[in-house]
Amino acid sequence: AQSVTQLGSHVSVSEGALVLLRCNYSSSVPPYLFWYVQYPNQGLQLLLKYTTGATLVKGINGFEAEFKKSETSFHLTKPSAHMSDAAEYFCAVSRSGGSYIPTFGRGTSLIVHP
Amino acid sequence: GAGVSQTPSNKVTEKGKYVELRCDPISGHTALYWYRQSLGQGPEFLIYFQGTGAADDSGLPNDRFFAVRPEGSVSTLKIQRTERGDSAVYLCASSLDSRGTGELFFGEGSRLTVL
Repeated sequence: AQSVTQLGSHVSVSEGALVLLRCNYSSSVPPYLFWYVQYPNQGLQLLLKYTTGATLVKGINGFEAEFKKSETSFHLTKPSAHMSDAAEYFCAVSRSGGSYIPTFGRGTSLIVHP
Repeated sequence: GAGVSQTPSNKVTEKGKYVELRCDPISGHTALYWYRQSLGQGPEFLIYFQGTGAADDSGLPNDRFFAVRPEGSVSTLKIQRTERGDSAVYLCASSLDSRGTGELFFGEGSRLTVL
């Protein structure tokens, strides 16, 4: 079975500070990994994904994530937070046990202070 | 718009009633997913369609839940004899890719409240 753990239900940063949202996964085979963002009153939208190839992937709005197999992690980072980054962020994993259906973490709410 | 459309956006019903939630996916997307999101939780998988058939319904919590996609486009999630524990936001997503590498496009969800 595949699973995702997002450490910290809430992360608070100041505008301009580094953003780090943590995601660890459990998978019996090389996983496909995703980060989705949900802004208030909107549907989830894809930020970035890792399937194969380069382990550092870049997404929209200046976010990036690095797949680290040895640490079973896929942490999301952004060098400088903007007020508009305040949202709920979900990590997801697929391709484990023959299932390509994404399994989502519980989510991390990013709060950005002026 | 060309996005995933879900109706109704909000539904309030009484315990024991029957509810239908509709999802209109992006045109041409053969893969369609239903998830349920409770307060403070991530999306929880319910059922996956590839075309008209339910390829995986392992996430449906019990036999009160059923979903159809008769023409391979619009899908309806049906909940019989609703219970207060069914209250949640029901999310629909569609994708071009059924092999898990592609992006899921989500609707804004249908918020179900069972009184």
